[in-house]
Amino acid sequence: DAGVIQSPRHEVTEMGQEVTLRCKPISGHNSLFWYRQTMMRGLELLIYFNNNVPIDDSGMPEDRFSAKMPNASFSTLKIQPSEPRDSAVYFCASSFYGGNTIYFGEGSWLTVV
Amino acid sequence: DQQVKQNSPSLSVQEGRISILNCDYTNSMFDYFLWYKKYPAEGPTFLISISSIKDKNEDGRFTVFLNKSAKHLSLHIVPSQPGDSAVYFCAASAWTSGSARQLTFGSGTQLTVLP
Repeated sequence: DAGVIQSPRHEVTEMGQEVTLRCKPISGHNSLFWYRQTMMRGLELLIYFNNNVPIDDSGMPEDRFSAKMPNASFSTLKIQPSEPRDSAVYFCASSFYGGNTIYFGEGSWLTVV
Repeated sequence: DQQVKQNSPSLSVQEGRISILNCDYTNSMFDYFLWYKKYPAEGPTFLISISSIKDKNEDGRFTVFLNKSAKHLSLHIVPSQPGDSAVYFCAASAWTSGSARQLTFGSGTQLTVLP
C-alpha cells in the first residue's frame, strides 16, 4: 500500500526563490496536514484541509507561505520568497476525516541558502 | 505555550531493560493520545495510542499508561532493543472548531538502546 508521498525529498535553493513542496495523501483519506519540524519548535502544524477545503491555517508563519489542495489526491505548500529561516523538514500527513491517527510522509528537507 | 511536554530530550537504556518515556499535557480537552516513532531521515510513524476512557493499552512490547488526573502519560518498552533507538513523539488529539481532529506534538525524546 502506498503511503503519503512527498516530493522533492531534498531541496536546496537560494534566498528569494520560490519553493513548491508537493504531497499525495493516502488514497481514501480526506484530511491532509502540513507540518514543519525545526530544532527550535519541534513539530508544528502549519495548515490542514478537510475534503480539500483549508480549515485552519493559523500555523502558517507568514504570508510568504501558501497551501492549496486542488483535488483529493494532491496538495502543494509554496514559499515565495524563501528565506534561510525557512530551512526545515516539511511533513505532509493524511487521515480519514475525524480519524484519530494521522500518517506521515517521509518529509521534504528544505535548505535555503 | 506548550500544551504537550516531553521534559526529557534524551534517554539511554541498556538492551533488555525497560524504557520509560514520559509526557505531560495541559489541555483537558485532549481525549486521545498517541506515540510516534521517528528514525533519522524518515517521517514519524504511528506506534501506539490510547483513548482517554482507558488507562492502559498494550501492544506487544509497547504499553501506554494514561493518568488523567495528573495529565500524564508514559510509554513503556519491554524489553528494549537496539532497533528501538529513535526519537519518540508524544501527541495529543482533540476536536477543533473546524470539525476535525488536530494533533499537538511534544518536542520528542531521543531513546538510545545500548547493546
